Amino acid sequence: GAVVSQHPSWVICKSGTSVKIECRSLDFQATTMFWYRQFPKQSLMLMATSNEGSKATYEQGVEKDKFLINHASLTLSTLTVTSAHPEDSSFYICSASGVSVSEQYFGPGTRLTVT
Amino acid sequence: GQSLEQPSEVTAVEGAIVQINCTYQTSGFYGLSWYQQHDGGAPTFLSYNALDGLEETGRFSSFLSRSDSYGYLLLQELQMKDSASYFCAVRDIEDSNYQLIWGAGTKLIIKP
Repeated sequence: GAVVSQHPSWVICKSGTSVKIECRSLDFQATTMFWYRQFPKQSLMLMATSNEGSKATYEQGVEKDKFLINHASLTLSTLTVTSAHPEDSSFYICSASGVSVSEQYFGPGTRLTVT
Repeated sequence: GQSLEQPSEVTAVEGAIVQINCTYQTSGFYGLSWYQQHDGGAPTFLSYNALDGLEETGRFSSFLSRSDSYGYLLLQELQMKDSASYFCAVRDIEDSNYQLIWGAGTKLIIKP
């Protein structure tokens, strides 16, 4: 149990375009989802926390207008990187937790490359 | 500020035992978690300690001392597949949501 999927697993896009990443909890209801980014050989950096049906809470330094998060249902959250630039290239990972699960479970991650 | 300290790299031999330490300074504390992450993959949950003492799960054990703000992950009978980065994370609660405060990770290198 406690499986989280992410789509796509990797994406290459041109500078200035937008990219949407989906995060789904497959076998539990995720009341809270977290979005992280991770640069090579570094730890995970929390970008934002989202609860179903409410606005996401962004960490300091994360631009909410650039990284749009929508948590429209108990099984789906999306992260849209708007007007992507090469410095947005990173590994983006979501995690989810819910009433039925006691720990955060991570999606497999999405590797974004902006050219 | 909030910080978690763990060694950046540890080297061990296949079949041996290795301990990865983690000390923390956080404003809140609801437990210490350990995650394993292989290169190119996402973290996977290993263990969670909310109370003092040792928790054992197969070859992996995790220890917590809240009075010392210290914990460790113990890996026994090391296998090559255990080569990965290991992160400790403190569980804290903010606005009724629990968050994880992450250490920088320890890269475990296993030699045959």
